[in-house]
Amino acid sequence: GQQLNQSPQSMFIQEGEDVSMNCTSSSIFNTWLWYKQDPGEGPVLLIALYKAGELTSNGRLTAQFGITRKDSFLNISASIPSDVGIYFCAGQPLIIQGAQKLVFGQGTRLTINP
Amino acid sequence: EPEVTQTPSHQVTQMGQEVILRCVPISNHLYFYWYRQILGQKVEFLVSFYNNEISEKSEIFDDQFSVERPDGSNFTLKIRSTKLEDSAMYFCASDPGQGANQPQHFGDGTRLSIL
Repeated sequence: GQQLNQSPQSMFIQEGEDVSMNCTSSSIFNTWLWYKQDPGEGPVLLIALYKAGELTSNGRLTAQFGITRKDSFLNISASIPSDVGIYFCAGQPLIIQGAQKLVFGQGTRLTINP
Repeated sequence: EPEVTQTPSHQVTQMGQEVILRCVPISNHLYFYWYRQILGQKVEFLVSFYNNEISEKSEIFDDQFSVERPDGSNFTLKIRSTKLEDSAMYFCASDPGQGANQPQHFGDGTRLSIL
């Protein structure tokens, strides 16, 4: 089935540094989403991407939908302590109609040293 | 902002018992989903639901699982005879439907612990 390969699995950085993570797949996806998950909570949407090549920002976060529809990246600039958490990419497969399930990457655990 | 709400937040159940997890999706949403996350692993799709029937289900969603929309607001996941490996976080999600370019919104999940 469809799989997303997310990297890196974990990152240990200093506060203020920039962060970059990405997801790749052998399958085409119609939509790419980036979520953040804090302990004991559900995934919270950060950025949604709907068109190949689209580059979207949300504050210090920037994400891009790869032109081949098979990859996406997320950048966080000038990291702060509250950025700590697990970041998941998620893709919606290219289907014509019906409910749009999400396929998730394995997650990137971000740890920040003050 | 409207939210997906899930109850209970934590459910502890003996192996072999039935369990029902409840969700209230966002009110104007038409598509509903259940996902599972085993501790330390990624979120996995279980089932999607639209117009009072299952749209798609994964290999995980076997005969022990069922979903129901018993009224206009609730969406439930039932596990008929729980197994130890059913221990996980279960997340409900909803979205408005196709063409809306509206992403799925998730609840905070139910932690299911099978003893």
